[in-house]
Amino acid sequence: GQNIDQPTEMTATEGAIVQINCTYQTSGFNGLFWYQQHAGEAPTFLSYNVLDGLEEKGRFSSFLSRSKGYSYLLLKELQMKDSASYLCASMDSNYQLIWGAGTKLIIKP
Amino acid sequence: IAGITQAPTSQILAAGRRMTLRCTQDMRHNAMYWYRQDLGLGLRLIHYSNTAGTTGKGEVPDGYSVSRANTDDFPLTLASAVPSQTSVYFCASSESDTTDTQYFGPGTRLTVL
Repeated sequence: GQNIDQPTEMTATEGAIVQINCTYQTSGFNGLFWYQQHAGEAPTFLSYNVLDGLEEKGRFSSFLSRSKGYSYLLLKELQMKDSASYLCASMDSNYQLIWGAGTKLIIKP
Repeated sequence: IAGITQAPTSQILAAGRRMTLRCTQDMRHNAMYWYRQDLGLGLRLIHYSNTAGTTGKGEVPDGYSVSRANTDDFPLTLASAVPSQTSVYFCASSESDTTDTQYFGPGTRLTVL
């Protein structure tokens, strides 16, 4: 079956660094997406990885290991506005996204 | 501003009633999608359309139908609503049906009583 696992909730301090992990198992693989979703709003795109390694985009970085079925999202210099849910999604062989339930990130001052 | 719009924003519906959720995009994207989002679960694909005139079933299509008469519009219809269809519904679009980023509309919160 297809499965995406990520922690339900994490807490971090303003200014700190946090790493949100995601493991995936899908029928085929065409890349790993991360989205951010603030409460009551739509998901918005953060990153896409299809090759192994780290992709950096400002304060946010995303890592992929295809052999381990593993990805993480790294958020640096946390700000209060980063409080949101972070959704991991793997694209399967039919180019359909299989979504994790999301990780709710709580930032404390 | 280019993007995706959905209507209505929210709706309370009696069980057994018919309801159409509207979705319009102005980005000239070929592919469009309908998802539902429920607490504790990931987004689940209901139906999709790779291009105007074609549609396909996703993971949870039962009780829902879609049409794609043109590029911009992708309505989702609940023929006879049931309480288990209470959810937040998101429409999304992408330039193509492959690895392109999906962009989401603001969502419709539907409650079926």
